[in-house]
Amino acid sequence: QQQVKQSPQSLIVQKGGISIINCAYENTAFDYFPWYQQFPGKGPALLIAIRPDVSEKKEGRFTISFNKSAKQFSLHIMDSQPGDSATYFCAASMSHYQLIWGAGTKLIIKP
Amino acid sequence: NAGVTQTPKFRVLKTGQSMTLLCAQDMNHEYMYWYRQDPGMGLRLIHYSVGEGTTAKGEVPDGYNVSRLKKQNFLLGLESAAPSQTSVYFCASSRGGEGRELFFGEGSRLTVL
Repeated sequence: QQQVKQSPQSLIVQKGGISIINCAYENTAFDYFPWYQQFPGKGPALLIAIRPDVSEKKEGRFTISFNKSAKQFSLHIMDSQPGDSATYFCAASMSHYQLIWGAGTKLIIKP
Repeated sequence: NAGVTQTPKFRVLKTGQSMTLLCAQDMNHEYMYWYRQDPGMGLRLIHYSVGEGTTAKGEVPDGYNVSRLKKQNFLLGLESAAPSQTSVYFCASSRGGEGRELFFGEGSRLTVL
């Protein structure tokens, strides 16, 4: 019940295309769903986050879509750029120290 | 603005040796965390602290100890290193309250032979 399942494990997208990463959870007590971006040799950094009372949140080219009934959420990167190449982690949280991470998706944007 | 600083960045140990990883944050955050990151497994919480002088176990605490004697510092110790502790270790901090964003250091890569 504490797992967050993330897919795909890796993704290759052409420059200008849409990158989509999906996550699913089981515990309905989760109330905060962040996405973190990690570049090689660096720590993860918060990209965008959503609470379950909204179905979508957009920040620039990055959008989280949230489906509470299906217990799924996804990250969409519009007009993907080579600089977006990184590993992306979804997570689900019910408190500061109860943050459950997905396994990560390695995204490569081909020029 | 340094944010979260981890030392050392790289370390090689022999089985049975001990070492301490140091984390320092300059954001006056209440909460601090130690995670380990292994390929295909995301991040797993080792220990965390909700304030100076407090520590608590996370998901994978065995073989590790921590201390938070000062608000800005969080130390992770390995008393007797094992090959299974080969990993990249990340320290993070958060403001507390409604501020759940984690701010991470750049990681410490530990290899245990």
